[in-house]
Amino acid sequence: GENVEQHPSTLSVQEGDSAVIKCTYSDSASNYFPWYKQELGKRPQLIIDIRSNVGEKKDQRIAVTLNKTAKHFSLHITETQPEDSAVYFCAALKGGSYIPTFGRGTSLIVHP
Amino acid sequence: GAVVSQHPSWVICKSGTSVKIECRSLDFQATTMFWYRQFPKQSLMLMATSNEGSKATYEQGVEKDKFLINHASLTLSTLTVTSAHPEDSSFYICSARVRETQYFGPGTRLLVL
Repeated sequence: GENVEQHPSTLSVQEGDSAVIKCTYSDSASNYFPWYKQELGKRPQLIIDIRSNVGEKKDQRIAVTLNKTAKHFSLHITETQPEDSAVYFCAALKGGSYIPTFGRGTSLIVHP
Repeated sequence: GAVVSQHPSWVICKSGTSVKIECRSLDFQATTMFWYRQFPKQSLMLMATSNEGSKATYEQGVEKDKFLINHASLTLSTLTVTSAHPEDSSFYICSARVRETQYFGPGTRLLVL
């Protein structure tokens, strides 16, 4: 089955810096890659996603890049703010399956 | 956007009792819902896939007789933790999918004394 590795497990940055979280996947049939943000004690919420026919997608301060050949995708957050502090999960799904395989999560801490 | 509710948000119960958690899709119909368990500072662990009108599909290692799932309608799935024990204490989250996207409920924090 699919295996998703996520790094780093913890990321600490100063407000205004950029943050990058990386994920690798094992199944080349995976074609949909969502990112979820989970604030402490709250539900995970989809923040951005990318499909395998696209190399990059951007939404304001967040962007996701995908390298299908290397089977890795990354979340980029620019101009980080304290409210970006949360746990971020990447996931991978393959066509025909609606069950995502989640990464282990990255705890992002943005210091004011 | 799609909204999923979950009830109760937290529950404390005595060891040996059963607890029912409800998951509802509020503004859409969900033929498939998912139940996850999350330990502190850990990822989401899929317990089972709940299919409307049919039996749930459980992940390996999840006891189906202990975690009873019922998906009686297109907007409601329930998870019953039977004969709960302290080791069942956890954060339980449901989700419903719209195409590939999962919309999560707010979670239920269960504490078994």
